[in-house]
Amino acid sequence: QQPVQSPQAVILREGEDAVINCSSSKALYSVHWYRQKHGEAPVFLMILLKGGEQKGHEKISASFNEKKQQSSLYLTASQLSYSGTYFCGTEPSGTYKYIFGTGTRLKVLA
Amino acid sequence: EAQVTQNPRYLITVTGKKLTVTCSQNMNHEYMSWYRQDPGLGLRQIYYSMNVEVTDKGDVPEGYKVSRKEKRNFPLILESPSPNQTSLYFCASRPHGGRYTDTQYFGPGTRLTVL
Repeated sequence: QQPVQSPQAVILREGEDAVINCSSSKALYSVHWYRQKHGEAPVFLMILLKGGEQKGHEKISASFNEKKQQSSLYLTASQLSYSGTYFCGTEPSGTYKYIFGTGTRLKVLA
Repeated sequence: EAQVTQNPRYLITVTGKKLTVTCSQNMNHEYMSWYRQDPGLGLRQIYYSMNVEVTDKGDVPEGYKVSRKEKRNFPLILESPSPNQTSLYFCASRPHGGRYTDTQYFGPGTRLTVL
C-alpha cells in the first residue's frame, strides 16, 4: 500500500543530476514531495496534481504520470544542501488518509 | 509566524505510564495528523482529523488515542505506553483534507522513549 520509491539511496558529486521515482499501486489524485534532514521535520518541496499542474521549487522539478501512477523528482546541478531523505506523499483516491513513500536517501559530496 | 508546535520535544517514560503529546497550529487549518517515524519504516500516519470532533484512524492507530475539541489543538494520547511505541513523532497540519493543492506543515517532532 505504501508507495515504493527508487532508488533507496544515491550518492552524488556536487553538480550532478539525480532522479527519484515514486510508484503507487493505487490510483493517485496528487503527489507531494518532501525533503527531510536527519533528526528534523520533513519540509514540503512541491505538489503535482492530476491533469499536470505543478508547483515547483528552484532547481527541483517533477513529473506525474497518472496512468502509471508514478511520479519522478528531478534534482539538477545538485548542491550539498540537497542531501537528505526524500519522500513522496499522497492521499490515495477514495480516502482521506495520507501515505508516505518508502523514502530515498540522497547524499551529495563535495 | 505560521507554525505547528509540539510538546514535549523529548520524553523518556516507563511502560504503562499514561502520557500526552500536545500539538497546536496557528494557521486555522482544518486537517491535522499524527505520524510516527521509525528506521526502515518511514513515516506512517497514526490518526488524522478532518475538523473539530472529526477524527479517523490512519495506518497504525493501535495503542493511541486522539481528540480534536478545538481547531488548533490535536493531542496524541498514549494510555499505556509500551516499548514498541518508542519512536519519533510528528504532528502536521494542512488547510484541508481531500483533493486540494495544500502544503502540509510539520511540527519539530517529539522523540519518545518507552522503557
